[in-house]
Amino acid sequence: DIQMTQSPSFVSASVGDRVTITCRASQSIRSNLNWYQQKPGRAPKLLIYTASTLQSGVPSRFTGSGSGTDFSLTITSLQAEDFATYYCQQSSSLLTFGQGTKLEIK
Amino acid sequence: QVQLQESGPGLVKPSETLSLTCTVSGASIRSHYWSWIRQPPGKGLEWVGFMYYTGTSNYNPSLKSRVTVSLDTAKNQFSLRLSSVTAADTAVYYCARYYVYTGYFDYWGQGALVTVSS
Repeated sequence: DIQMTQSPSFVSASVGDRVTITCRASQSIRSNLNWYQQKPGRAPKLLIYTASTLQSGVPSRFTGSGSGTDFSLTITSLQAEDFATYYCQQSSSLLTFGQGTKLEIK
Repeated sequence: QVQLQESGPGLVKPSETLSLTCTVSGASIRSHYWSWIRQPPGKGLEWVGFMYYTGTSNYNPSLKSRVTVSLDTAKNQFSLRLSSVTAADTAVYYCARYYVYTGYFDYWGQGALVTVSS
């Protein structure tokens, strides 16, 4: 099984800040990596797929990068609505999610 | 617009079988793969399994012996059955469309909380 490890698990930031969340796979997954945002009581929302492609309707302040085993999600100029939990998900071999990164307001 | 809605009992007794149905509108269930994902209270997401209408399916190895996903093309619904449940199976269960070509979940239901308790 491919394990996905996100870091950090929690991050505090302020509106206007730039934040980067990383996701590491236990083996190469090429670019088969997706990112989701989840707000309390809501279903996850797809943000980025195949590591760096922005889903339609997602603001351009969200950027994904990486390939192989190391990936990152960067949010530039944080907005109030961005405070949520973020998950990575691999689809190279079966499907697994990272444990999540909670982005909190400082 | 594609919409999914979970339905089923919110309380299941230990050792019994959890059953949920997802009703799909705005898309034909024959056109895509369909999946279940669960999330224990306060915890992360766990993929349960997916199925295509041809019968192609795949399951999380940790749940494979207890899980069945099935499709009803006449009703445009798909279902989850999870047998021999324990308290560890208490979770919000989401149904979702799985876009197999790029490996992501693009449409999700609102989620259904299922509690396993006597």
